Amino acid sequence: NAGVTQTPKFQVLKTGQSMTLQCAQDMNHEYMSWYRQDPGMGLRLIHYSVGAGITDQGEVPNGYNVSRSTTEDFPLRLLSAAPSQTSVYFCASSYVQGGTEAFFGQGTRLTVV
Amino acid sequence: AQSVAQPEDQVNVAEGNPLTVKCTYSVSGNPYLFWYVQYPNRGLQFLLKYITGDNLVKGSYGFEAEFNKSQTSFHLKKPSALVSDSALYFCAVRVLAAGNKLTFGGGTRVLVKP
Repeated sequence: NAGVTQTPKFQVLKTGQSMTLQCAQDMNHEYMSWYRQDPGMGLRLIHYSVGAGITDQGEVPNGYNVSRSTTEDFPLRLLSAAPSQTSVYFCASSYVQGGTEAFFGQGTRLTVV
Repeated sequence: AQSVAQPEDQVNVAEGNPLTVKCTYSVSGNPYLFWYVQYPNRGLQFLLKYITGDNLVKGSYGFEAEFNKSQTSFHLKKPSALVSDSALYFCAVRVLAAGNKLTFGGGTRVLVKP
């Protein structure tokens, strides 16, 4: 049982480059989300989705795009990378019911130079 | 908007002593509350949750947490800490009426000394 799989684990980008962080889950979870983790700031929600074809913004969405064409996949796109996007990114999934816990991927450490 | 506060950046405790990590929340509606733990260079792992019912919930690795509605708190506790409990702990809240978003506190680093 793979759970939540994120790729890549590490990435270095130059300012202005674009890239896509991949996230896939095999638990048939409706709810998927992306967070960034920065020192002293906890985890901040970037975008989330409650099902295929439905996405919404979290608290720090600027500079990021998402789409949800299938239940399993929820890629995060950086359109034009900036040094402020240097962070550790986590994907999470859960059932849509509020009382269910989320499962997290192992994270992607992104450095923008 | 919902929010979670973890007032202590770091908690130091001697092995064998009780451990408490504090969490308070602010929401409109009935909260679902969670604790997660993060070990170095790893993703977050679920510890325990409060949905409804008994205010004292028990979770993995001997951890428990008490839901206090009047104080809007959900403190994490362990009666006897282990060195292996040293990690980063996050409190989180979810409100179904608020889009079901999972909102995290800033995290508390726990250091258990032998």
